[in-house]
Amino acid sequence: GQNIDQPTEMTATEGAIVQINCTYQTSGFNGLFWYQQHAGEAPTFLSYNVLDGLEEKGRFSSFLSRSKGYSYLLLKELQMKDSASYLCAVRDRGSSNTGKLIFGQGTTLQVKP
Amino acid sequence: DTEVTQTPKHLVMGMTNKKSLKCEQHMGHRAMYWYKQKAKKPPELMFVYSYEKLSINESVPSRFSPECPNSSLLNLHLHALQPEDSALYLCASSQGQGVTGANVLTFGAGSRLTVL
Repeated sequence: GQNIDQPTEMTATEGAIVQINCTYQTSGFNGLFWYQQHAGEAPTFLSYNVLDGLEEKGRFSSFLSRSKGYSYLLLKELQMKDSASYLCAVRDRGSSNTGKLIFGQGTTLQVKP
Repeated sequence: DTEVTQTPKHLVMGMTNKKSLKCEQHMGHRAMYWYKQKAKKPPELMFVYSYEKLSINESVPSRFSPECPNSSLLNLHLHALQPEDSALYLCASSQGQGVTGANVLTFGAGSRLTVL
C-alpha cells in the first residue's frame, strides 16, 4: 500500500524560512511532487523530484532522498501570500507502467506578519 | 491555452437528480483525471482516462459515471447521489499517464457539489 505523512499545520513569520517535511512508503515510487493549494482554489504545481537531491526554483526548493523515503519543501523569504496548504504527492507506478498520483494530507502553512 | 476549465463552478442537486460536471482542456494533454476533495482533506483519485480510454477506476460507486467524448473533454455524470458525496470535484490533465518524465497534472478550479 501507500502511506504519505506530513505535518498538519505549521506557522512561520514573514521573511523567514520554513521547511515542510514529507515521508512516504510506496511499492512503486516514480516521482514526488509538491503542490500549493490556496483555500477554495485548485492545487498548483510547485516542484518535481525523481532523483535524489535538491531542486531549486526561485524561493522554493525541494529535496528528495529515495533511500529514506523522505522529501522536504523549503520556502525562503516567506510572504503573506504563501499562506496555503502544501500537498506532497507521490506517483506510484501501477500496472502497464502507468502512473497514479497519490496525495498526502497536506500541511496548512500560516504566515504571520 | 494552459488552463483546465470546469463547469459549473457550483452545483446543488437533490438525491434523485441527474446532473453532469464538465471539464475541458486544449493543451493537447492525453490523460485526464477526476479527483474528489472534501474540506481540509487531500484530493482523492476517482478516475483516469488515457488516450480517451478509462485506465483507472478507484472503486468508485456506480452513481458516478465518467465519460471522455474526445481528447479535450471529460464529463462526470451524477445520479442518485448521497449527501456525503458533497465535495469539490477537481478535474486535471497531463501530457500522458506514463512514468517517464514529469507529466505534471494541471488542475481546474473545481466544481463544488452540494447534495441535499
